[in-house]
Amino acid sequence: DADVTQTPRNRITKTGKRIMLECSQTKGHDRMYWYRQDPGLGLRLIYYSFDVKDINKGEISDGYSVSRQAQAKFSLSLESAIPNQTALYFCATSDPGLAGVQQETQYFGPGTRLLVL
Amino acid sequence: GNSVTQMEGPVTLSEEAFLTINCTYTATGYPSLFWYVQYPGEGLQLLLKATKADDKGSNKGFEATYRKETTSFHLEKGSVQVSDSAVYFCALIDPGNYGQNFVFGPGTRLSVLP
Repeated sequence: DADVTQTPRNRITKTGKRIMLECSQTKGHDRMYWYRQDPGLGLRLIYYSFDVKDINKGEISDGYSVSRQAQAKFSLSLESAIPNQTALYFCATSDPGLAGVQQETQYFGPGTRLLVL
Repeated sequence: GNSVTQMEGPVTLSEEAFLTINCTYTATGYPSLFWYVQYPGEGLQLLLKATKADDKGSNKGFEATYRKETTSFHLEKGSVQVSDSAVYFCALIDPGNYGQNFVFGPGTRLSVLP
């Protein structure tokens, strides 16, 4: 089984609808992230959480919200979807571990492809 | 702020050709540097990393050397295969920048033709 899973894998929705993307991980990592990927722009950070009680905005958080339900679960919501939120969304986890932040590696889910009409 | 710049793609090569994908970075601290690869329909996965100057990361025939003097981390492979076709992302982590740790480049798409 995959260590980081995302549901759904594909979603088509209409402008103004509320949708939720879910992420679950079995790696036991405290740190979780949501990114969006757009052609030519790479990955941009939406929100991140360093533990269940810690939620932080990334560079492009407007129009999004998140919920960290447990160590293993981190959900991303679009309260009122708009067409320019059409993108590929990735969840990721990381853990600095004993080696520290210098050795930290991120582990990514397979992505959710979202189309907003 | 921190940033990563990569050569624009797409890059198209014939099988067994030599590959170089350029990556340069800007960072205020002492970052670790990474290359991630994204195969079609999948998420990103770590390809290699280097945590200090002059370190060389290597994996699956790919190599990259952390060059502090030129702020670069170019990815190389001596003989590419069709299975190397993917998008490659250069990234850095700045331990001194709490929270905004990971910064990714825009990605370079590689296509290898048989």
